[in-house]
Amino acid sequence: AQTVTQSQPEMSVQEAETVTLSCTYDTSENNYYLFWYKQPPSRQMILVIRQEAYKQQNATENRFSVNFQKAAKSFSLKISDSQLGDTAMYFCAFMWNTGNQFYFGTGTSLTVIP
Amino acid sequence: NAGVTQTPKFQVLKTGQSMTLQCAQDMNHEYMSWYRQDPGMGLRLIHYSVGAGITDQGEVPNGYNVSRSTTEDFPLRLLSAAPSQTSVYFCASSYSGQGNEKLFFGSGTQLSVL
Repeated sequence: AQTVTQSQPEMSVQEAETVTLSCTYDTSENNYYLFWYKQPPSRQMILVIRQEAYKQQNATENRFSVNFQKAAKSFSLKISDSQLGDTAMYFCAFMWNTGNQFYFGTGTSLTVIP
Repeated sequence: NAGVTQTPKFQVLKTGQSMTLQCAQDMNHEYMSWYRQDPGMGLRLIHYSVGAGITDQGEVPNGYNVSRSTTEDFPLRLLSAAPSQTSVYFCASSYSGQGNEKLFFGSGTQLSVL
């Protein structure tokens, strides 16, 4: 079974600062995908960023970037220039490429302080 | 393009009652799944389907039933509601094989079982 661990239940950051959310996972698979999803108070699940395990280059999407360390099974999310709209729950997720089941971490609640 | 449509948004049940959560997608996705979200536990997979006529159990299937008669629809049935099933439920769909796999979520159902 795959497991995804987010060890930071809550975090806060000052507006315009940078914050990093941690995620580790455990799998015996070699080909898989990793995701960060954002859930604002509206409850909507929004894809933030996606990483293929076979790609060594870290994915970036505007202010969001990841640090993917395959050997360490680590997948952290960095948010630069934090904005008030970044306040949300963030979930790390894993999917292996031979199936379509997603496994989620327990989430990190991020608060951006004005 | 409606994406994933999930109904109802809110529901209150009494213990022992049954009900069906509806889910439909208009993206012709092969894969559909149901998750429940509980505080501190992230999203856990209940049931999933890899195509019409094919369903399988996820991590927490007990007390739930699913069917997939068409590609578009994937209803979740609570057979005899229990207070432990109080949760937020998400339906999701996805596709694979195109190198851009990701989950598309419905808007969620807040279910309370009294």
